[in-house]
Amino acid sequence: EAQVTQNPRYLITVTGKKLTVTCSQNMNHEYMSWYRQDPGLGLRQIYYSMNVEVTDKGDVPEGYKVSRKEKRNFPLILESPSPNQTSLYFCASSFLDLTDTQYFGPGTRLTVL
Amino acid sequence: GDSVTQMEGPVTLSEEAFLTINCTYTATGYPSLFWYVQYPGEGLQLLLKATKADDKGSNKGFEATYRKETTSFHLEKGSVQVSDSAVYFCALIDNTDKLIFGTGTRLQVFP
Repeated sequence: EAQVTQNPRYLITVTGKKLTVTCSQNMNHEYMSWYRQDPGLGLRQIYYSMNVEVTDKGDVPEGYKVSRKEKRNFPLILESPSPNQTSLYFCASSFLDLTDTQYFGPGTRLTVL
Repeated sequence: GDSVTQMEGPVTLSEEAFLTINCTYTATGYPSLFWYVQYPGEGLQLLLKATKADDKGSNKGFEATYRKETTSFHLEKGSVQVSDSAVYFCALIDNTDKLIFGTGTRLQVFP
């Protein structure tokens, strides 16, 4: 089944404790991205990647890192999480770029205490 | 920068009622426009899209027409079902190739 998977689905952590949210797609897509969803703000893009080893900042990259060592994986790293990073996070992928259909993962709900 | 404005929710309807969710945009040029749907506990799914003026996107009984004169892309459905209850997001690709979302409109359909 074609899908985007994220892990974990739920995470509660404390300020400053490094964490990684994994994202994997099995559709051989070139384009992958991370979004955060906050009430009243919709979805905002954090980082995106057009291809392996190519990443770029979205609208709200501060406090996040990403890597794209393999085509299928695009982990989101929070080196020192803070409470304002409490949010619902979505990974998405598409065949080549944003004009193609975006396939979203099920979401990761992160709480930083 | 480019932006998308959606009507505030929730929109509450009875089954078989007519649905309109308003979406207007501000953009440089003529962006591609999208409607995404998010069912409870799930990620977003593309519902429909339109890439140029006067295009009509349609899927699952939903329709939206790209109106450049009014910079709008309103979502409509003639007869909603309980299973259409979800959050609907209007979005565009801006001139820096970023996907810009509206704040979302929650639809609740009651039997």
